[in-house]
Amino acid sequence: AQSVTQLDSHVSVSEGTPVLLRCNYSSSYSPSLFWYVQHPNKGLQLLLKYTSAATLVKGINGFEAEFKKSETSFHLTKPSAHMSDAAEYFCVVSRVSGGSYIPTFGRGTSLIVHP
Amino acid sequence: EAQVTQNPRYLITVTGKKLTVTCSQNMNHEYMSWYRQDPGLGLRQIYYSMNVEVTDKGDVPEGYKVSRKEKRNFPLILESPSPNQTSLYFCASRLKYEQFFGPGTRLTVL
Repeated sequence: AQSVTQLDSHVSVSEGTPVLLRCNYSSSYSPSLFWYVQHPNKGLQLLLKYTSAATLVKGINGFEAEFKKSETSFHLTKPSAHMSDAAEYFCVVSRVSGGSYIPTFGRGTSLIVHP
Repeated sequence: EAQVTQNPRYLITVTGKKLTVTCSQNMNHEYMSWYRQDPGLGLRQIYYSMNVEVTDKGDVPEGYKVSRKEKRNFPLILESPSPNQTSLYFCASRLKYEQFFGPGTRLTVL
Protein backbone atom coordinates (compact mmCIF):
# COMPACT_ATOMS: atom_id res chain seq x y z
CA ALA A 1 0.00 0.00 0.00
CA GLN A 2 1.10 3.55 -0.53
CA SER A 3 -0.19 6.99 0.30
CA VAL A 4 0.91 10.60 0.08
CA THR A 5 -0.01 13.56 2.26
CA GLN A 6 0.51 17.14 1.28
CA LEU A 7 0.54 18.92 4.56
CA ASP A 8 -0.75 22.29 3.36
CA SER A 9 -3.69 22.91 1.06
CA HIS A 10 -2.55 26.52 0.53
CA VAL A 11 0.81 28.25 0.88
CA SER A 12 1.12 32.00 0.54
CA VAL A 13 4.49 33.74 0.01
CA SER A 14 5.77 37.08 -1.16
CA GLU A 15 7.69 37.36 -4.41
CA GLY A 16 11.41 36.87 -3.78
CA THR A 17 10.97 34.83 -0.58
CA PRO A 18 11.62 31.08 -0.23
CA VAL A 19 9.01 28.46 -1.05
CA LEU A 20 8.45 25.26 0.94
CA LEU A 21 5.74 22.79 -0.06
CA ARG A 22 5.59 19.78 2.22
CA CYS A 23 4.94 16.18 1.25
CA ASN A 24 5.02 13.03 3.37
CA TYR A 25 4.58 9.58 1.91
CA SER A 26 4.16 6.00 2.99
CA SER A 27 5.04 3.00 0.91
CA SER A 28 5.69 -0.68 1.46
CA TYR A 29 8.15 -0.59 -1.42
CA SER A 30 11.06 1.54 -2.50
CA PRO A 31 9.08 4.46 -3.82
CA SER A 32 9.49 6.70 -6.80
CA LEU A 33 8.44 10.24 -5.95
CA PHE A 34 7.46 13.15 -8.16
CA TRP A 35 6.31 16.72 -8.05
CA TYR A 36 4.00 18.04 -10.75
CA VAL A 37 2.80 21.59 -11.31
CA GLN A 38 -0.55 22.61 -12.75
CA HIS A 39 -1.08 26.15 -13.92
CA PRO A 40 -4.67 27.38 -14.27
CA ASN A 41 -6.57 25.67 -17.07
CA LYS A 42 -3.53 23.59 -18.00
CA GLY A 43 -2.49 19.98 -17.72
CA LEU A 44 0.12 18.76 -15.27
CA GLN A 45 3.81 19.23 -15.95
CA LEU A 46 6.60 17.26 -14.31
CA LEU A 47 8.82 19.41 -12.08
CA LEU A 48 11.19 16.76 -10.79
CA LYS A 49 11.46 13.10 -9.87
CA TYR A 50 13.25 10.84 -7.41
CA THR A 51 13.90 7.28 -8.53
CA SER A 52 16.46 5.94 -6.02
CA ALA A 53 19.46 7.89 -7.27
CA ALA A 54 20.66 11.12 -5.61
CA THR A 55 18.50 12.13 -2.68
CA LEU A 56 18.65 15.83 -3.59
CA VAL A 57 16.83 16.27 -6.84
CA LYS A 58 16.92 19.39 -8.97
CA GLY A 59 14.04 20.18 -11.27
CA ILE A 60 12.92 22.84 -13.67
CA ASN A 61 12.41 26.52 -12.87
CA GLY A 62 14.76 26.47 -9.87
CA PHE A 63 12.80 23.94 -7.82
CA GLU A 64 14.43 21.14 -5.90
CA ALA A 65 13.37 18.43 -3.47
CA GLU A 66 15.14 16.22 -0.98
CA PHE A 67 14.20 12.62 -0.35
CA LYS A 68 14.49 11.85 3.37
CA LYS A 69 13.78 8.20 4.01
CA SER A 70 14.00 8.50 7.80
CA GLU A 71 11.34 11.20 7.78
CA THR A 72 9.37 9.74 4.83
CA SER A 73 9.35 13.20 3.33
CA PHE A 74 9.90 14.73 -0.09
CA HIS A 75 9.47 18.47 0.40
CA LEU A 76 9.66 20.86 -2.54
CA THR A 77 11.67 24.07 -2.19
CA LYS A 78 12.71 27.10 -4.18
CA PRO A 79 14.99 29.86 -2.88
CA SER A 80 13.07 32.76 -4.38
CA ALA A 81 9.46 32.76 -5.54
CA HIS A 82 8.37 34.36 -8.80
CA MET A 83 4.87 35.47 -9.65
CA SER A 84 4.83 32.82 -12.40
CA ASP A 85 5.21 30.09 -9.74
CA ALA A 86 1.61 30.63 -8.62
CA ALA A 87 -0.05 27.29 -9.41
CA GLU A 88 -1.26 24.01 -7.95
CA TYR A 89 1.45 21.51 -6.99
CA PHE A 90 0.99 17.78 -6.64
CA CYS A 91 3.23 15.29 -4.89
CA VAL A 92 3.00 11.76 -6.32
CA VAL A 93 4.29 8.42 -5.07
CA SER A 94 4.37 5.48 -7.42
CA ARG A 95 5.44 1.89 -7.72
CA VAL A 96 5.50 -0.70 -10.45
CA SER A 97 3.66 -3.92 -9.70
CA GLY A 98 3.36 -6.79 -12.12
CA GLY A 99 4.07 -4.47 -15.01
CA SER A 100 1.41 -2.00 -13.89
CA TYR A 101 2.32 1.53 -12.93
CA ILE A 102 0.49 2.54 -9.76
CA PRO A 103 0.58 6.28 -8.99
CA THR A 104 -1.01 7.90 -5.96
CA PHE A 105 -1.51 11.66 -6.06
CA GLY A 106 -1.60 14.00 -3.13
CA ARG A 107 -4.55 16.37 -2.84
CA GLY A 108 -2.51 19.31 -4.03
CA THR A 109 -1.07 22.52 -2.58
CA SER A 110 -2.07 25.85 -4.02
CA LEU A 111 0.88 28.26 -4.08
CA ILE A 112 -0.09 31.91 -3.91
CA VAL A 113 2.60 34.49 -4.66
CA HIS A 114 2.04 38.09 -3.58
CA PRO A 115 3.83 41.00 -5.27
CA GLU B 1 5.66 18.67 -31.18
CA ALA B 2 5.33 15.80 -28.69
CA GLN B 3 1.95 16.04 -27.07
CA VAL B 4 -1.20 14.45 -25.71
CA THR B 5 -4.42 15.84 -27.11
CA GLN B 6 -7.93 15.51 -25.78
CA ASN B 7 -11.30 16.37 -27.29
CA PRO B 8 -13.54 17.98 -26.47
CA ARG B 9 -12.00 20.41 -23.98
CA TYR B 10 -15.39 21.33 -22.55
CA LEU B 11 -18.62 19.36 -22.60
CA ILE B 12 -22.00 19.89 -21.01
CA THR B 13 -24.40 16.98 -21.32
CA VAL B 14 -27.44 15.45 -19.66
CA THR B 15 -27.82 12.37 -17.53
CA GLY B 16 -27.86 9.15 -19.51
CA LYS B 17 -26.61 10.47 -22.84
CA LYS B 18 -23.62 8.40 -23.93
CA LEU B 19 -20.42 10.30 -24.63
CA THR B 20 -16.82 9.67 -25.61
CA VAL B 21 -13.78 11.74 -24.78
CA THR B 22 -10.94 11.10 -27.17
CA CYS B 23 -7.26 11.01 -26.28
CA SER B 24 -4.34 10.75 -28.65
CA GLN B 25 -0.56 10.83 -28.18
CA ASN B 26 2.16 11.14 -30.80
CA MET B 27 5.09 9.87 -28.72
CA ASN B 28 4.63 6.15 -29.38
CA HIS B 29 4.18 5.49 -25.65
CA GLU B 30 2.84 2.10 -24.68
CA TYR B 31 1.33 3.17 -21.37
CA MET B 32 -1.70 5.48 -21.20
CA SER B 33 -4.07 6.46 -18.40
CA TRP B 34 -7.22 8.38 -17.61
CA TYR B 35 -7.63 10.44 -14.45
CA ARG B 36 -10.34 12.55 -12.94
CA GLN B 37 -9.55 15.58 -10.84
CA ASP B 38 -11.96 16.79 -8.19
CA PRO B 39 -11.45 19.68 -5.75
CA GLY B 40 -9.56 18.60 -2.66
CA LEU B 41 -9.03 15.06 -3.94
CA GLY B 42 -6.11 15.40 -6.32
CA LEU B 43 -6.08 13.10 -9.34
CA ARG B 44 -7.50 9.61 -9.23
CA GLN B 45 -6.78 7.02 -11.86
CA ILE B 46 -9.85 5.69 -13.70
CA TYR B 47 -8.34 3.19 -16.15
CA TYR B 48 -4.95 2.51 -17.62
CA SER B 49 -3.57 0.62 -20.55
CA MET B 50 -0.15 -1.01 -20.76
CA ASN B 51 -0.38 -1.60 -24.49
CA VAL B 52 -2.77 -2.20 -27.37
CA GLU B 53 -5.72 -4.36 -26.29
CA VAL B 54 -4.47 -4.38 -22.66
CA THR B 55 -6.52 -2.28 -20.22
CA ASP B 56 -7.13 -2.44 -16.50
CA LYS B 57 -9.09 -0.68 -13.79
CA GLY B 58 -7.61 2.08 -11.71
CA ASP B 59 -8.94 3.42 -8.45
CA VAL B 60 -12.32 4.74 -9.65
CA PRO B 61 -13.45 2.76 -12.72
CA GLU B 62 -17.20 2.58 -12.01
CA GLY B 63 -19.30 4.16 -14.75
CA TYR B 64 -16.47 4.31 -17.28
CA LYS B 65 -15.18 2.20 -20.15
CA VAL B 66 -12.06 2.45 -22.26
CA SER B 67 -10.63 0.82 -25.34
CA ARG B 68 -7.14 0.60 -26.82
CA LYS B 69 -7.31 -0.55 -30.42
CA GLU B 70 -4.30 1.50 -31.52
CA LYS B 71 -1.24 2.56 -29.61
CA ARG B 72 -1.84 6.28 -30.08
CA ASN B 73 -5.53 6.44 -29.05
CA PHE B 74 -7.21 5.76 -25.72
CA PRO B 75 -10.82 6.97 -25.64
CA LEU B 76 -12.84 7.26 -22.44
CA ILE B 77 -16.48 6.22 -22.74
CA LEU B 78 -19.32 7.12 -20.41
CA GLU B 79 -22.23 4.88 -21.40
CA SER B 80 -24.77 6.55 -19.11
CA PRO B 81 -23.29 9.65 -17.50
CA SER B 82 -24.53 10.78 -14.11
CA PRO B 83 -24.06 14.09 -12.26
CA ASN B 84 -21.39 12.57 -9.98
CA GLN B 85 -19.20 12.21 -13.06
CA THR B 86 -19.01 15.97 -13.40
CA SER B 87 -15.28 16.51 -13.16
CA LEU B 88 -12.08 17.53 -14.90
CA TYR B 89 -10.59 14.63 -16.84
CA PHE B 90 -6.98 14.16 -17.88
CA CYS B 91 -5.45 11.67 -20.24
CA ALA B 92 -1.76 10.85 -19.88
CA SER B 93 0.86 8.75 -21.59
CA ARG B 94 3.98 7.49 -19.90
CA LEU B 95 7.58 6.83 -20.77
CA LYS B 96 9.47 5.11 -17.94
CA TYR B 97 8.71 7.24 -14.88
CA GLU B 98 7.45 10.42 -16.52
CA GLN B 99 3.83 11.00 -17.41
CA PHE B 100 2.78 13.47 -20.10
CA PHE B 101 -0.64 14.96 -19.54
CA GLY B 102 -3.20 16.27 -21.95
CA PRO B 103 -4.80 19.69 -21.41
CA GLY B 104 -7.91 18.29 -19.72
CA THR B 105 -11.60 17.94 -20.50
CA ARG B 106 -14.07 19.69 -18.26
CA LEU B 107 -17.28 17.64 -18.20
CA THR B 108 -20.57 18.77 -16.68
CA VAL B 109 -23.43 16.29 -16.43
CA LEU B 110 -26.80 17.89 -15.70
